[in-house]
Amino acid sequence: GAVVSQHPSWVICKSGTSVKIECRSLDFQATTMFWYRQFPKQSLMLMATSNEGSKATYEQGVEKDKFLINHASLTLSTLTVTSAHPEDSSFYICSASNSGTYNEQFFGPGTRLTVL
Amino acid sequence: GQNIDQPTEMTATEGAIVQINCTYQTSGFNGLFWYQQHAGEAPTFLSYNVLDGLEEKGRFSSFLSRSKGYSYLLLKELQMKDSASYLCAVRDLAYGGATNKLIFGTGTLLAVQP
Repeated sequence: GAVVSQHPSWVICKSGTSVKIECRSLDFQATTMFWYRQFPKQSLMLMATSNEGSKATYEQGVEKDKFLINHASLTLSTLTVTSAHPEDSSFYICSASNSGTYNEQFFGPGTRLTVL
Repeated sequence: GQNIDQPTEMTATEGAIVQINCTYQTSGFNGLFWYQQHAGEAPTFLSYNVLDGLEEKGRFSSFLSRSKGYSYLLLKELQMKDSASYLCAVRDLAYGGATNKLIFGTGTLLAVQP
């Protein structure tokens, strides 16, 4: 149980375009999902906390108008990188937590974004 | 504020035992997690400690001392497939821990050699 999927697994886009990444909890309902960014050889940096039915809470330094987050249902959250630039190239990972044993976060497989 | 420290890299030999340390400073500690992450993949949950002591799970064990702000992950009978990054993460009630937000350390890249 506790499987989280992400789509797409990788995407290459031109500078200035927008990219949408989907995160789904497949076998449980997640009232809270998290979006992380990870640069090579670095740890996970939390971008925002996504709450179902309400606005996302962004971490300091993360532009909410550039990284649009929508949590429309208990099993789906989306991250849209608007007007992407090469510096946005990164590994984007989502996670979801349920009311499991430890309330641990379960991570999706990640999306590799490359902006040309 | 919050601060989590781990060694950046470690090397160990197949079949041996390795201990990866993690120290943390938080205002409202509410649990510590260890995750394993292979290159290009998402982290996978290894262990959870919220009370002092040792939690054993097969070849992996995790220890916590809340008074010292210290944890370690112990890997026994190392296998080549254990080569990965190991992330220490803390749940801090003062950092939105009620929403299960985690603060991650920089991770320890473990290389297991034959």
